[in-house]
Amino acid sequence: EIVLTQSPVTLSLSPGERATLSCRASQSVGSYLAWYQQKPGQAPRLLIYDASNRATGIPARFSGSGSGTDFTLTISSLEPEDFAIYYCQQRSNWPLTFGPGTKVDIK
Amino acid sequence: QVQLVQSGAEVKKPGSSVKVSCKASGGSLSTYPISWVRQAPGQGLEWMGEIMPTFGTVKYAEKFQDRVTITADESTSTAYLELSSLRSEDTALYFCGRNWNYVGMDVWGQGTTVIVSS
Repeated sequence: EIVLTQSPVTLSLSPGERATLSCRASQSVGSYLAWYQQKPGQAPRLLIYDASNRATGIPARFSGSGSGTDFTLTISSLEPEDFAIYYCQQRSNWPLTFGPGTKVDIK
Repeated sequence: QVQLVQSGAEVKKPGSSVKVSCKASGGSLSTYPISWVRQAPGQGLEWMGEIMPTFGTVKYAEKFQDRVTITADESTSTAYLELSSLRSEDTALYFCGRNWNYVGMDVWGQGTTVIVSS
């Protein structure tokens, strides 16, 4: 199965700062990578699909890039509601797999 | 806009089975696959399997292959996850999610807590 690793584990930033989150795959997943945001007690929310496409209703401050094995989620300027856990997920091979998550918390 | 509504919390004994439902409202269940994802307390997301309701085709994560059954009833727009031989490690929040265009899960149920305890 494809293993996804995310870094850093925790990112401590202030509102207005730029957040850069990384996801690395154990083998190429092409562009078949999605990003999700999850807040405590809530279901995940799809942010980005196929590496760089924003899902419906997702603000433009969220952007995704990368292909193959290395991917990045960037939040250009953190809003208070962006402090959450972010997961990447690949759909290149069965089983679908998720990364362990990056927590973005308030510095 | 389709919404997914899951059944309520369950408390089960080790060795028993649990069946969780996921009902679509405001739209069809059949258009896209429905995935099941679980989250143990304080842990990350774990994909368990997926069904394409129109065809009844299923995919399971190997880890759960011998214990999980995912089904769907198009007449009631409901998908089901059944997990057998429960153990304490199965205590988790179980989510269903619509795999929109196969690119990602864009609509999620609210989650169902399953507690396995003697």
